[in-house]
Amino acid sequence: QKEVEQDPGPLSVPEGAIVSLNCTYSNSAFQYFMWYRQYSRKGPELLMYTYSSGNKEDGRFTAQVDKSSKYISLFIRDSQPSDSATYLCAIVQGAQKLVFGQGTRLTINP
Amino acid sequence: NAGVTQTPKFQVLKTGQSMTLQCAQDMNHNSMYWYRQDPGMGLRLIYYSASEGTTDKGEVPNGYNVSRLNKREFSLRLESAAPSQTSVYFCASSSHGGTSGRQSSYNEQFFGPGTRLTVL
Repeated sequence: QKEVEQDPGPLSVPEGAIVSLNCTYSNSAFQYFMWYRQYSRKGPELLMYTYSSGNKEDGRFTAQVDKSSKYISLFIRDSQPSDSATYLCAIVQGAQKLVFGQGTRLTINP
Repeated sequence: NAGVTQTPKFQVLKTGQSMTLQCAQDMNHNSMYWYRQDPGMGLRLIYYSASEGTTDKGEVPNGYNVSRLNKREFSLRLESAAPSQTSVYFCASSSHGGTSGRQSSYNEQFFGPGTRLTVL
């Protein structure tokens, strides 16, 4: 079993829709969770990170962690065409490593 | 402040050829990483370096070697390229690690623009 599993998509939604992106992880010891955004032909960049359980909000983006079910989510409200990208969840494993999910390619249609 | 830079941007090799991918960062970061990204596989760690002079294997190290030349530079070498190494390669750096000082807890990594490698 992979340590992090992510719905691969692709996902296509109309502009203004609420988007939900999800990952599951296997090890209940993980504490830090991240979401990276990657535009086409670019390197990933950190969008949000959360520690332990609960929600974290940043503008139109909300990251949520449910440690009881080992489930992490990213919600995008009022989605815009500029949000079209691949979204990768990641967990911090030990002192040095990030383990990434497969990535979900998202397209927001005007 | 260029962040993380990688050269070359594109490369085509024949099976058996060798090449070195170069990476440099100007953020005075301790840790540097090499990943490969394949469709449906996400980013997989090849090698990483927690500080100058140290390197460690990641998830998929076979067929690769690395050198942490100094604090700024971390190169990835393919000694005898194979078609299975066709991929997009990303270098990343992080302020995490090193031999002294406070560690950042969540290890934000900053990525370069990538090198698209095709092995025929």
